[in-house]
Amino acid sequence: DSGVTQTPKHLITATGQRVTLRCSPRSGDLSVYWYQQSLDQGLQFLIHYYNGEERAKGNILERFSAQQFPDLHSELNLSSLELGDSALYFCASSVDIVTGELFFGEGSRLTVL
Amino acid sequence: GESVGLHLPTLSVQEGDNSIINCAYSNSASDYFIWYKQESGKGPQFIIDIRSNMDKRQGQRVTVLLNKTVKHLSLQIAATQPGDSAVYFCAENMGTSYGKLTFGQGTILTVHP
Repeated sequence: DSGVTQTPKHLITATGQRVTLRCSPRSGDLSVYWYQQSLDQGLQFLIHYYNGEERAKGNILERFSAQQFPDLHSELNLSSLELGDSALYFCASSVDIVTGELFFGEGSRLTVL
Repeated sequence: GESVGLHLPTLSVQEGDNSIINCAYSNSASDYFIWYKQESGKGPQFIIDIRSNMDKRQGQRVTVLLNKTVKHLSLQIAATQPGDSAVYFCAENMGTSYGKLTFGQGTILTVHP
């Protein structure tokens, strides 16, 4: 158990819909990262938040947004969903920003029909 | 167009053998490298990291070797065990946000008892 909690574990929705994925980092970790894992693209970095502020962005679609709240939990919002958004979405946390030792949750599997 | 899934390299070894997993990284500006392990149904798990000012680093049963000249990284696992069966990813970073990782495609390691 990494100490990172993600909900929901599975989500099935239709094209055009909007979903929110939630992540609770390990106790004390200030950094939260979101990654997408798909069969054709592999593991891709989406976005990084540190103590409530956005610190880095990857190739995150404009339809996707994230935020980190004062209690350090984070949410990833995916809107106008397309079939190609079906993937595993991982949240990871770390204690600071000078390490690549990330603690990953078990992921949220999104299926868009 | 039709999407093509990643075809991951595979390595099959007998329990007790040593395993070597190779990775060619893409960016000559990368200065920090990490190996992760992902078991079925779980998130990636940190194994070991190495910075570009080193060419070798050892952990418990694992050794990472870095050859910057040819942009090559390897992970050696000593006395491989069935519990080591997983997908292994190398990841690189350019030292800005350290958790902003570019992952390789992965290698499937299967350990036979």
